[in-house]
Amino acid sequence: NAGVTQTPKFRILKIGQSMTLQCTQDMNHNYMYWYRQDPGMGLKLIYYSVGAGITDKGEVPNGYNVSRSTTEDFPLRLELAAPSQTSVYFCASSPIPGTYEQYFGPGTRLTVT
Amino acid sequence: LAKTTQPISMDSYEGQEVNITCSHNNIATNDYITWYQQFPSQGPRFIIQGYKTKVTNEVASLFIPADRKSSTLSLPRVSLSDTAVYYCLVGDSSASKIIFGSGTRLSIRP
Repeated sequence: NAGVTQTPKFRILKIGQSMTLQCTQDMNHNYMYWYRQDPGMGLKLIYYSVGAGITDKGEVPNGYNVSRSTTEDFPLRLELAAPSQTSVYFCASSPIPGTYEQYFGPGTRLTVT
Repeated sequence: LAKTTQPISMDSYEGQEVNITCSHNNIATNDYITWYQQFPSQGPRFIIQGYKTKVTNEVASLFIPADRKSSTLSLPRVSLSDTAVYYCLVGDSSASKIIFGSGTRLSIRP
């Protein structure tokens, strides 16, 4: 099993550009999450999904969108990138339901200039 | 979701036992306590989870007193590779989302 994979590993965006961060898991987990982590800080939940076709906002959803068309994939879309979105983005998944044991991807380091 | 309080940082030496305490005064009856470890430039990694008394696995032990208002993560005989940030999380296992705090930055010296 590859676990949770994320692409790209690094990306530099100009202000106003858009991009999609890809996340795929091969563990057949229903629950998937997107977090951002600013330097020296803890993780903040952006969006999460409890299954295909179901998504919900986390703590900091503004400026982002998600979709969940399959169990495996949970892409995060940034529209009109801003410098405040410079961060490391982590995708995670967990089995249903009843555990906080999340499996994290390696992260995407995004810089918006 | 119950709020947690952890020390911002801790230092120790190789071979020592390290105990990191987390305070969670508002823990609810159905809440579990979960600890994660994060190395620089990596995603967090699940360490251990417990509900009451003591839980032990190959990596750590988790001690939870009867009132469950705090918990202690114990790392036996630490090495340099245990230098990381450790997060304590508390919440209902049926909840869809969890909240990470700022964590405890543990530094191990030779």
